[in-house]
Amino acid sequence: SQQGEEDPQALSIQEGENATMNCSYKTSINNLQWYRQNSGRGLVHLILIRSNEREKHSGRLRVTLDTSKKSSSLLITASRAADTASYFCATAYLAQKLVFGQGTRLTINP
Amino acid sequence: GAGVSQSPRYKVAKRGQDVALRCDPISGHVSLFWYQQALGQGPEFLTYFQNEAQLDKSGLPSDRFFAERPEGSVSTLKIQRTQQEDSAVYLCASSLERVPYEQYFGPGTRLTVT
Repeated sequence: SQQGEEDPQALSIQEGENATMNCSYKTSINNLQWYRQNSGRGLVHLILIRSNEREKHSGRLRVTLDTSKKSSSLLITASRAADTASYFCATAYLAQKLVFGQGTRLTINP
Repeated sequence: GAGVSQSPRYKVAKRGQDVALRCDPISGHVSLFWYQQALGQGPEFLTYFQNEAQLDKSGLPSDRFFAERPEGSVSTLKIQRTQQEDSAVYLCASSLERVPYEQYFGPGTRLTVT
């Protein structure tokens, strides 16, 4: 079963705008990760944030984590057409497996 | 360097047929994972190996699903007597660390059961 929900399920913005996606989860975690999936290219790891971190940056990506609310957000700044993809959050706890959300489909319009 | 590879990339099976899906992890990666991704959904965990030991198979949906990694490298996911509900993309991932850090995913095998 899926860990939680991502919001929104789909997002369409203009190139150059910022995109924000949210993820909620249900159980305790060690870390939370964000992945991108393009059609035909598989899942690509974007960023990992540990449970004792509140914010992390990587290039145009900014991730926040609020463990009290069991939620995370991914911000992509200055979006590009190549950012068009599905984005998934995934959580890990004691077990090795990742538990994924249902994803947000992001479309960047030129 | 080479990433995780999976074969075949596409597989069409008639209901009731057996299928075998192969995963070649990144060389030296200790951990190997299989996930199932239904259309429009996120991946769901199937099973996990550390070297040749299958440490968690809690996600396998039925006893028709079987996975092995006999030499701690290549892994095979076998599905016996395929059903239509088995249609999905099967993703393999490997990781170097013993804790669930970054997992490297293969391109997946899209299985269609007709």
